[in-house]
Amino acid sequence: GNSVTQMEGPVTLSEEAFLTINCTYTATGYPSLFWYVQYPGEGLQLLLKATKADDKGSNKGFEATYRKETTSFHLEKGSVQVSDSAVYFCALTPTGGGNKLTFGTGTQLKVEL
Amino acid sequence: DGGITQSPKYLFRKEGQNVTLSCEQNLNHDAMYWYRQDPGQGLRLIYYSQIVNDFQKGDIAEGYSVSREKKESFPLTVTSAQKNPTAFYLCASSMTRQVGNQPQHFGDGTRLSIL
Repeated sequence: GNSVTQMEGPVTLSEEAFLTINCTYTATGYPSLFWYVQYPGEGLQLLLKATKADDKGSNKGFEATYRKETTSFHLEKGSVQVSDSAVYFCALTPTGGGNKLTFGTGTQLKVEL
Repeated sequence: DGGITQSPKYLFRKEGQNVTLSCEQNLNHDAMYWYRQDPGQGLRLIYYSQIVNDFQKGDIAEGYSVSREKKESFPLTVTSAQKNPTAFYLCASSMTRQVGNQPQHFGDGTRLSIL
């Protein structure tokens, strides 16, 4: 079956540090890949997505590139802010359409001054 | 504004009671979903519905029931058969007829606690 593996948190960084949150997946074919963000006490918000190999999704300074050869979709940001503190979820939907999401367990990010 | 509304935000249940969580969307989405989130875990799919009057079990459907009588609404009932109902429940919706995969849009969740 499909699965998503994320690095465990919490990840604690100082403001303006570089962020990487690793995400790898197991799925047949070419799934679509997503990063969602969850702020405390809230639901999930779509951060970015990529639907085919070598696509780069980007939003609010965050980026992730769909790497088919390494089955990865790592999230990066060049300079984090305190307001980026949240839980980040990597997720996929299967090849050929359909909208059932498979989520990773989430990575908590804490950004300190 | 278009979006997904979950109510109530906090819900308390006594042992042996059924409770119903509301989810309404005005995005004109065909598909709706219910997830359960436990501390330190990812989201697990309870039920989903691709179209009105039809729904399917997800990965952890035991102890839950749903209905989809209207496109806009997908209420979730947590029954007394669910032995560990304390969790954060998230409702989501998405288009189904599309080229390529469309993302799911989430509500702000309902936190259910047992008294």
